[in-house]
Order: sequence, then structure tokens, then C-alpha cells
Amino acid sequence: AQSVTQPDIHITVSEGASLELRCNYSYGATPYLFWYVQSPGQGLQLLLKYFSGDTLVQGIKGFEAEFKRSQSSFNLRKPSVHWSDAAEYFCAVGADSWGKLQFGAGTQVVVTP
Amino acid sequence: DAGVTQSPTHLIKTRGQQVTLRCSPKSGHDTVSWYQQALGQGPQFIFQYYEEEERQRGNFPDRFSGHQFPNYSSELNVNALLLGDSALYLCASSLAGSGRGSRSSYEQYFGPGTRLTVT
Repeated sequence: AQSVTQPDIHITVSEGASLELRCNYSYGATPYLFWYVQSPGQGLQLLLKYFSGDTLVQGIKGFEAEFKRSQSSFNLRKPSVHWSDAAEYFCAVGADSWGKLQFGAGTQVVVTP
Repeated sequence: DAGVTQSPTHLIKTRGQQVTLRCSPKSGHDTVSWYQQALGQGPQFIFQYYEEEERQRGNFPDRFSGHQFPNYSSELNVNALLLGDSALYLCASSLAGSGRGSRSSYEQYFGPGTRLTVT
């Protein structure tokens, strides 16, 4: 069965520092992978997506993610975080042929001054 | 261009009651998926509607049902509410595209959600 694991429940980072959020997946075929962000009380916003090709993908708000098949990982990075990046981040995998997304449990990011 | 909208924003119901949540997809989208997000967890897939029919379903009981209308909007109905049904219910819309495995079906745009509290 497919699964998505986000090992870090909570991360605290200083404003201006770099950020990396981990995501590991278990999926038989080549996965479709996504990162979403959720601000308090809000829905989910798509940050970036990977379908195939270049394993380093660029997203919105200065985020990027790298697909590593050998490690079954799709980690999200940002070189310099802003206070507005404080939110919950979800990794997701396309879990079937018709658009079903399976999400990880999320990583809460806190940004300190 | 309006994004995905959901109503109501918040809802408080009593155990055993029934509830209906509504969703209007992003303009141009034809597929609606519903997710349940319990506090502190990631969203869980409930079901997906395309061409007014339920195309696939997650691991949710029959108390959860839905409908899609000709204008692609959708409703989620939950009968015999339990305390455990308290959650944020998210609607996501997408474009079915060319069929099975279509990338556009995975590019889902989410609404702000309906917060359901069952007391």
C-alpha cells in the first residue's frame, strides 16, 4: 500500500535561515509528488509538483523540491525563510490512476525573529 | 477568476444529526474531490465525483455520501453524525483531462474548508 511519511512533526527555524522539510514515500510505480502549504484556518495551497523529468522542481514563494528515487524522498527546501512562511506543510503522492491524493501527517514550521 | 468556494464556513451539529456541505469548483474544472482533515492530521480522501457520479471512494462508511450537479458543484452529506466526524472538510477541484493517469486530475485546488463540530 502507498504511504507518505513526514518524519518531522515540528520544526523551528530563524528568519533568514534555510529550511528543509523531509518527505518519504512508498509507492510501486513512478510517483506523482506534491507539496502543499496550509496557513492557520485555511485550505491547502499547492507549492509545487513533480510528474517526471528534471528531479529538481521549482515552486511558488521561493520553494524548491528534489525527487530522489534511490531514497524514495521528495524534500522541500527554501534558502531563506520569511516570517510569513510559518505554516503547516504537507507532502502528498498521487495514490491511484484517477487523481486521489494521499497526504503525510504534516510538518508544522515555526519562524522565530 | 473565482477559486474553489465552500459553504458554510463553520457548522455545529449534535450527534445523530445530518449535515450537508457545499462546494463550487474552480472555473473550468469538472472533477470534485472531498477530504476530511482531523485536528493535527493530514487530509484523508473521502470520495471523488466526475460526470455526476462517484468515481472512487476512500475508506469511509456509507454514512458519507455525495452528489455532483450538472454545473460541477458538489455536496457532501453525512448522516448519523458521530463525535469523531468533527473535522475540517476540504473540497478540491481539478480537471479530468484525457483520462486515466492524466496529470491534470492530480493538480487539485482546495477550498478554504468547512469546520464541522459535532457535540
